[in-house]
Amino acid sequence: NAGVTQTPKFQVLKTGQSMTLQCAQDMNHEYMSWYRQDPGMGLRLIHYSVGAGITDQGEVPNGYNVSRSTTEDFPLRLLSAAPSQTSVYFCASSRRLAGVNEQFFGPGTRLTVL
Amino acid sequence: AQKITQTQPGMFVQEKEAVTLDCTYDTSDPSYGLFWYKQPSSGEMIFLIYQGSYDQQNATEGRYSLNFQKARKSANLVISASQLGDSAMYFCAMREGRVFSGGYNKLIFGAGTRLAVHP
Repeated sequence: NAGVTQTPKFQVLKTGQSMTLQCAQDMNHEYMSWYRQDPGMGLRLIHYSVGAGITDQGEVPNGYNVSRSTTEDFPLRLLSAAPSQTSVYFCASSRRLAGVNEQFFGPGTRLTVL
Repeated sequence: AQKITQTQPGMFVQEKEAVTLDCTYDTSDPSYGLFWYKQPSSGEMIFLIYQGSYDQQNATEGRYSLNFQKARKSANLVISASQLGDSAMYFCAMREGRVFSGGYNKLIFGAGTRLAVHP
């Protein structure tokens, strides 16, 4: 059981470039989410998905696209990178059940936009 | 309005002593859940403990306990017998709704508290 995996671990982009951050989970979780972590601000939700084919916006969605064609994968696309998108990105998954259902986080991707 | 407030940017504690990390929250939803996550220097987010708004007793998980004071809207994390490996960032988070339903509700994080454990 790998849990939640993210690639790449580190990435440097130039302003205007596009790229996709990959996220996969092998726990058959229905819910998947993308967060960004900036110093002094905790984690903020970018986009989330409640199942294959269903996505929705979180708190800070501008500049990012997502899709979910399978239960396992939830890639995050930066369309035209900007320095303000320099951050650490976390993917998370959780089950569709009541109660605790903590989110399981991937190891993160550290992105720098020059 | 800030929903989760962690007023201590940094804390330090002597090894083997107990430490309390503060968290206050703001919600009008009677159904919510409170989480604490640990983020060591390696960067991963590790789930520690959960408290549901309807739980009658304070949650405990090993050396971690959650001091839940509903009327004061506080959910402080208590770490007993601190160890050097407890040095990390600690995040308090809240999920409104979904205690009894299965719908998706967003997790809102505080800014975190950096804990340093000294030998």
